[in-house]
Amino acid sequence: NAGVTQTPKFQVLKTGQSMTLQCAQDMNHEYMSWYRQDPGMGLRLIHYSVGAGITDQGEVPNGYNVSRSTTEDFPLRLLSAAPSQTSVYFCASSLNRGGGYTFGSGTRLTVV
Amino acid sequence: SQQGEEDPQALSIQEGENATMNCSYKTSINNLQWYRQNSGRGLVHLILIRSNEREKHSGRLRVTLDTSKKSSSLLITASRAADTASYFCATDNFNKFYFGSGTKLNVKP
Repeated sequence: NAGVTQTPKFQVLKTGQSMTLQCAQDMNHEYMSWYRQDPGMGLRLIHYSVGAGITDQGEVPNGYNVSRSTTEDFPLRLLSAAPSQTSVYFCASSLNRGGGYTFGSGTRLTVV
Repeated sequence: SQQGEEDPQALSIQEGENATMNCSYKTSINNLQWYRQNSGRGLVHLILIRSNEREKHSGRLRVTLDTSKKSSSLLITASRAADTASYFCATDNFNKFYFGSGTKLNVKP
């Protein structure tokens, strides 16, 4: 049981490049979310999903896309990277609404 | 912002002392949760308290919730050096889950 797996752990992008951050969970959790963590600002919700085929926006969705074609995977796509997207990104999952979240170990992204 | 706000932002205590962190939030919630984050790591779920509960215990952790004041507190008793971490409250706002900016706890041996 691997929990929530995020890849890559580190990434450097040039401004304007696109990339996909991967997130997979093997716990059959319905709820999955993406957060970014910036110094002194806690975690901010980017996008979330309440099940396969269903996604919605969080607090800071601009510049990011998500899809949820399977229960296990919830990739986050950066469309055109900007320095303001330099951050640590966390994926998290929960069995159901109102449950505790299991977090991945994070992806540290730097945009230059 | 929907985020909860923790207070204090930083707390430094001696091993064996109790640590209390507070969280305030803005809207109605389904439940409130507390998480711990060690430096450079992901968050770990500590305890969940539902909106119809007032107090909950788990080992050395005690959480209270006052929905009339939209506030919660986390008490860690008999702190240990291993408790050194950042602590976040998170509010479950019916499908959306919002975190505060955290309290950085330093427990000195």
